[in-house]
Amino acid sequence: QKEVEQNSGPLSVPEGAIASLNCTYSDRGSQSFFWYRQYSGKSPELIMSIYSNGDKEDGRFTAQLNKASQYVSLLIRDSQPSDSATYLCASPPGNTGKLIFGQGTTLQVKP
Amino acid sequence: KAGVTQTPRYLIKTRGQQVTLSCSPISGHRSVSWYQQTPGQGLQFLFEYFSETQRNKGNFPGRFSGRQFSNSRSEMNVSTLELGDSALYLCASSGDHGYTFGSGTRLTVV
Repeated sequence: QKEVEQNSGPLSVPEGAIASLNCTYSDRGSQSFFWYRQYSGKSPELIMSIYSNGDKEDGRFTAQLNKASQYVSLLIRDSQPSDSATYLCASPPGNTGKLIFGQGTTLQVKP
Repeated sequence: KAGVTQTPRYLIKTRGQQVTLSCSPISGHRSVSWYQQTPGQGLQFLFEYFSETQRNKGNFPGRFSGRQFSNSRSEMNVSTLELGDSALYLCASSGDHGYTFGSGTRLTVV
């Protein structure tokens, strides 16, 4: 079992819709979770971090963490074509200094 | 505040050669980690340094090595390059708000 898993997609949503990206993890000791956005040919850009159960909102982005279910999600409201990218979920297992990444979900926002 | 700086941006090397990549973290960050990204394997952890000590190491052969200097700058070295080492190499500097990545070094082995 991979430590961090994501559906590779592609996930296609119309402009203005809510995009929902999901991630599961296997290490119950993980305490912090990160969502990165990566455009083709570019490096990952941190868009959200979450450390405790519940929701965390930042502009159009909401991260949700459920430690009991070992599940992290990212919601993007009012999706724009510029949101089209690969979204990577990552966590350092047991709070080590290394990030374990999921395979990434490709999001396509169609005008 | 300056970001994470990686040099060079692009490299073309021949099989059997060695290569050294450099990473300067965000000022004040003492942890630097390195990752390899390929289309088939995704982002994979190579190693992490903190205050000049390697704290964690991923599942890569010994041809991959690194070090960190007293100013927190880090280098990684790949010896005896193989075609499969062609990848985007990323370093990340970590602080209170997570891990920030540099622009990466695109290595092509021919």
